Amino acid sequence: DGGITQSPKYLFRKEGQNVTLSCEQNLNHDAMYWYRQDPGQGLRLIYYSQIVNDFQKGDIAEGYSVSREKKESFPLTVTSAQKNPTAFYLCASIGAGGVGNEQFFGPGTRLTVL
Amino acid sequence: EDKVVQSPLSLVVHEGDTVTLNCSYEVTNFRSLLWYKQEKKAPTFLFMLTSSGIEKKSGRLSSILDKKELFSILNITATQTGDSAIYLCASLWVGTTDSWGKLQFGAGTQVVVTP
Repeated sequence: DGGITQSPKYLFRKEGQNVTLSCEQNLNHDAMYWYRQDPGQGLRLIYYSQIVNDFQKGDIAEGYSVSREKKESFPLTVTSAQKNPTAFYLCASIGAGGVGNEQFFGPGTRLTVL
Repeated sequence: EDKVVQSPLSLVVHEGDTVTLNCSYEVTNFRSLLWYKQEKKAPTFLFMLTSSGIEKKSGRLSSILDKKELFSILNITATQTGDSAIYLCASLWVGTTDSWGKLQFGAGTQVVVTP
């Protein structure tokens, strides 16, 4: 089945550690996105990539980094520079083949800093 | 500054009631308005609206876009407890260097349907 997978589902991090969240899609979508969701808030865009080997900062990129070496994969690294990383992280993709070009979301990773 | 504002932020209704959710937007290079339902996990797609005045329906849910007044509404009729969720609206805008664009989300409306 085509879809987006994210791992891990839950992640715990000690302060000062970098962690990497995985996002893989087999939908052959060109564009991929990372969002952060805090309680009571909508989704805020961290980074996005429209094509392989290219990505752009979203609204809240500070303290995060990404790479897009393969079309299927768009990992997000939460660095120690991110001062408040505890949140729900969602990966999404979009491309030709969608019903109306709507974004498809992965199941999310809930990151908690201890 | 681009923004999407949803109202109300939360509401509680009884089963069988009708619910109307509002979404206003101020977005440059606007392309479409999307609605999602989120139940403690990833959002699931409901509607995408591109043209003004054309209602989209899916069962008890319907939505319409007004591009002149820059708002959209989502209606849920004959609500059920399974409709309890956060409803998110997002505007899709495409910049000059974008192929697929970006979504700007509102804060969401928390809907609770009581038996």
